[in-house]
Amino acid sequence: SQQGEEDPQALSIQEGENATMNCSYKTSINNLQWYRQNSGRGLVHLILIRSNEREKHSGRLRVTLDTSKKSSSLLITASRAADTASYFCATFDSGTYKYIFGTGTRLKVLA
Amino acid sequence: DAGVIQSPRHEVTEMGQEVTLRCKPISGHNSLFWYRQTMMRGLELLIYFNNNVPIDDSGMPEDRFSAKMPNASFSTLKIQPSEPRDSAVYFCASKSAGLAGRTDTQYFGPGTRLTVL
Repeated sequence: SQQGEEDPQALSIQEGENATMNCSYKTSINNLQWYRQNSGRGLVHLILIRSNEREKHSGRLRVTLDTSKKSSSLLITASRAADTASYFCATFDSGTYKYIFGTGTRLKVLA
Repeated sequence: DAGVIQSPRHEVTEMGQEVTLRCKPISGHNSLFWYRQTMMRGLELLIYFNNNVPIDDSGMPEDRFSAKMPNASFSTLKIQPSEPRDSAVYFCASKSAGLAGRTDTQYFGPGTRLTVL
C-alpha cells in the first residue's frame, strides 16, 4: 500500500497562478523527491531534498520539508499549461530500504 | 544516452497467456526497479535489483509474477498465466550506485501498457 499521500488529489488553476501540492509520509527518511508524470509517460525526477534540508529551489519549483510533521510541499510558481501533469512525492525509507511513492496530485493548468 | 528502454510499449493478450516485459537500464546504473501503475492502486514497487541481485520482491503480487536480471543491461518481468486484473502500465526504472540519499534519483522508462482480455 502507498504510504505517501499527496494533497490535493486534483488541482485546477489558471496559467500564471501558483500551484501548491503537499505530501505526507509515515517513516523516517533520508530524502524526499518529487517526480512529474505527463499523461502516458514515465515519471521524471524534478527535485530531491535531503532530510537535513528545509527548503530547496530549482527554477520555478520550491520544495519544503518538515521532518517533525513528516510532510513536504511542492510549489510551482507562475504555472504554465505545460505544467499539466501528475506530481508524485517519493521517499526512501532508511529503515526498510524501500522506495515509496505517493498517490499523486493531478494538476491541470488552464491556458 | 537513450535512457531506460522498455519493450513492448503495448501488449494485448488473452487471459492465461504468458507475458514477458523487457527492460534495458541506463548503462552504468546498478539498481533496477519494476513498478506497476493502475488507477486504483497507484504506483506500486514490485521488485528491485541491486547489482543484478533481487533485493526486495515483497511487492510481487503472487507466484504468477517473476523477474530476472541475468546481466547488468537486461531485465525481464514475466507473468504466467496472465489474468485481466494484471492489466496496468508496468514501468522499469534504474539508478546509479552510491550512498542512499546521495544518488536516489530514479530514471523511468516509458512503460509497457498491458491489457489482458
